[in-house]
Amino acid sequence: SQQGEEDPQALSIQEGENATMNCSYKTSINNLQWYRQNSGRGLVHLILIRSNEREKHSGRLRVTLDTSKKSSSLLITASRAADTASYFCATDKGSRDDKIIFGKGTRLHILP
Amino acid sequence: EPEVTQTPSHQVTQMGQEVILRCVPISNHLYFYWYRQILGQKVEFLVSFYNNEISEKSEIFDDQFSVERPDGSNFTLKIRSTKLEDSAMYFCASSEPGLQYQETQYFGPGTRLLVL
Repeated sequence: SQQGEEDPQALSIQEGENATMNCSYKTSINNLQWYRQNSGRGLVHLILIRSNEREKHSGRLRVTLDTSKKSSSLLITASRAADTASYFCATDKGSRDDKIIFGKGTRLHILP
Repeated sequence: EPEVTQTPSHQVTQMGQEVILRCVPISNHLYFYWYRQILGQKVEFLVSFYNNEISEKSEIFDDQFSVERPDGSNFTLKIRSTKLEDSAMYFCASSEPGLQYQETQYFGPGTRLLVL
């Protein structure tokens, strides 16, 4: 299976701190994407990183990808209460209509 | 910003009934997908659709499921005879035609299906 597995499963931090979530996968991928899901709601795309990229930034988000270790990390800097959500990594093998395989997610809770 | 929309947001049905979940993908997208998420579990792929035919389907997508693009805008998922275990959140997604590789899949807000 190429699925991503996130760790930790749950993370609680104080508002203003940085949150780091990790994702590992098993087989070769072409893209890795991170999504956010607020409780019981839809999936919001955060960022896509391709296998030939090592780091990508979007606002307060920083994603790294290490294909040699088959792992990725998502860093949220200066966390806010609104960042409380579940975060999923999802991988694909790269063909244009390929399905994406989701991990189980990290539940992030930002404490006020 | 264009977005994927889904209707209804919630659907309650009796076991054995047929349900149709509707999606309007982003207008210039050509690849369409359905995923589902059983409560508390991870998001699972059901089916992908391109050029009016199924590209790939998972083991979950058995003969009780079908997809259709009845017109230029809607993309539907039909469950012919619902089972209790079909209760889940169903997400539609779409992506634009990348030159070669997968592009970002944008997800709708989901339809929460409850089978009684």
